[in-house]
Amino acid sequence: DAGVTQSPTHLIKTRGQQVTLRCSPISGHKSVSWYQQVLGQGPQFIFQYYEKEERGRGNFPDRFSARQFPNYSSELNVNALLLGDSALYLCASSLTDRGRGETQYFGPGTRLLVL
Amino acid sequence: GDSVTQMEGPVTLSEEAFLTINCTYTATGYPSLFWYVQYPGEGLQLLLKATKADDKGSNKGFEATYRKETTSFHLEKGSVQVSDSAVYFCALSDRGSTLGRLYFGRGTQLTVWP
Repeated sequence: DAGVTQSPTHLIKTRGQQVTLRCSPISGHKSVSWYQQVLGQGPQFIFQYYEKEERGRGNFPDRFSARQFPNYSSELNVNALLLGDSALYLCASSLTDRGRGETQYFGPGTRLLVL
Repeated sequence: GDSVTQMEGPVTLSEEAFLTINCTYTATGYPSLFWYVQYPGEGLQLLLKATKADDKGSNKGFEATYRKETTSFHLEKGSVQVSDSAVYFCALSDRGSTLGRLYFGRGTQLTVWP
C-alpha cells in the first residue's frame, strides 16, 4: 500500500504570498494531521481533521487554515506568508482521531522557503 | 500541559558502540509514548512505541521501556551502525484525549562513524 503522500516536495514563496500544501493519507485512514517542523526543532501540531471536520488546532494564527475532502485528502493553506513560516510541513494520517496509542504515519513533507 | 524533554545533541559514536538517548515526559493524562526517526531530507518514520507502563517497544535492535515511576522512555541500542545516523524524536500522545495530537521533543542528532 502507498504511504502518505504530499505535494509539492519543495516550494519557494515571497513574503505576503499565499500557499497551499496537499496531502493524501494512507488508504483507509480517515484522520489527517498537519505539523510544522522548523529547522532544528521537533514538529509542532497545527491541525487535526477527522471525517472532514476540524478536531483540534494548535497554537497557530488564523493565517493557517485547512480542510479535508470526502476522499480524506487534505489541504493546508497559509496566507500572508512571513519569513518565520519557512519550515518543513508534515502531514500524518491515522485510522481514527483518538490518542489511544494509535500510530500516526508521516509523509515526506513539503519544504517551504519564504524569501 | 503535556511535554517531552530529550537529551541535547548531537551525539557522536563509533560503529558498534552502545547508544542511549534520554527522554522524559510530563503528561496530565495517561500517555502513549513513541520514538520516531528522521533520516536526512525525509519525513518521520515510527521506530517503536509503548502504550502502557512497563511495556517495552523494540524494532531494528532499538529498545525503549515505558517507566511511569520515572516518567521516562529512554532509547537504547546495543551496537549502532553507520546507517543509524539520523535525528531521533521522542513523542507522546494522550490516550485519554479526544484528540490524537503528538507532542514531540526537540530531537537528538546521532552521527555514527565507521
